[in-house]
Amino acid sequence: GAVVSQHPSRVICKSGTSVKIECRSLDFQATTMFWYRQFPKQSLMLMATSNEGSKATYEQGVEKDKFLINHASLTLSTLTVTSAHPEDSSFYICSARDPPGEQYFGPGTRLTVT
Amino acid sequence: GEDVEQSLFLSVREGDSSVINCTYTDSSSTYLYWYKQEPGAGLQLLTYIFSNMDMKQDQRLTVLLNKKDKHLSLRIADTQTGDSAIYFCAPNQGGKLIFGQGTELSVKP
Repeated sequence: GAVVSQHPSRVICKSGTSVKIECRSLDFQATTMFWYRQFPKQSLMLMATSNEGSKATYEQGVEKDKFLINHASLTLSTLTVTSAHPEDSSFYICSARDPPGEQYFGPGTRLTVT
Repeated sequence: GEDVEQSLFLSVREGDSSVINCTYTDSSSTYLYWYKQEPGAGLQLLTYIFSNMDMKQDQRLTVLLNKKDKHLSLRIADTQTGDSAIYFCAPNQGGKLIFGQGTELSVKP
């Protein structure tokens, strides 16, 4: 099956700094990638839809200036959490949609802001 | 918008069948998915059903769809301890997946 990777798998950063998370589709080209956030014992909340070569579409309530998304190629999307605060600590998961339309999920990135 | 509801917990004994239920509100969903999440990991696609189907079977997994009642279920036959995980149903709404809260399945030996 299709494989999606995320890097890093875990990151700890200080409050006020920025952190970048990468999402890659390893064996297919993904024109669309999605970024989700998951709190402990809770569901996945869609943050934004990322389309290659265009601006991301953010869900209501998600600050686009805080969560910067770049989808510069058909296999890579990045999420940058700017000026991170402890409340940004969460599990961030990306998914990539293959040409037939199936979504494949990455393994997730655990972000801890101290 | 779409609202997806699942019961939070299910406990079964090894070898029994597990049935995880899901209700949704948006009848326009064309595909409805089931995902499995193990602790600290991403989501694994288990199976899906197209909205014009009532049932789909894939090895130990059976998906039933009652479109009239907007009810989806996942049955796992001969449940094993390795099936312990959180299971999410996710109707596809306009190209986006809308996730339920997840059902934590606990399999006791």
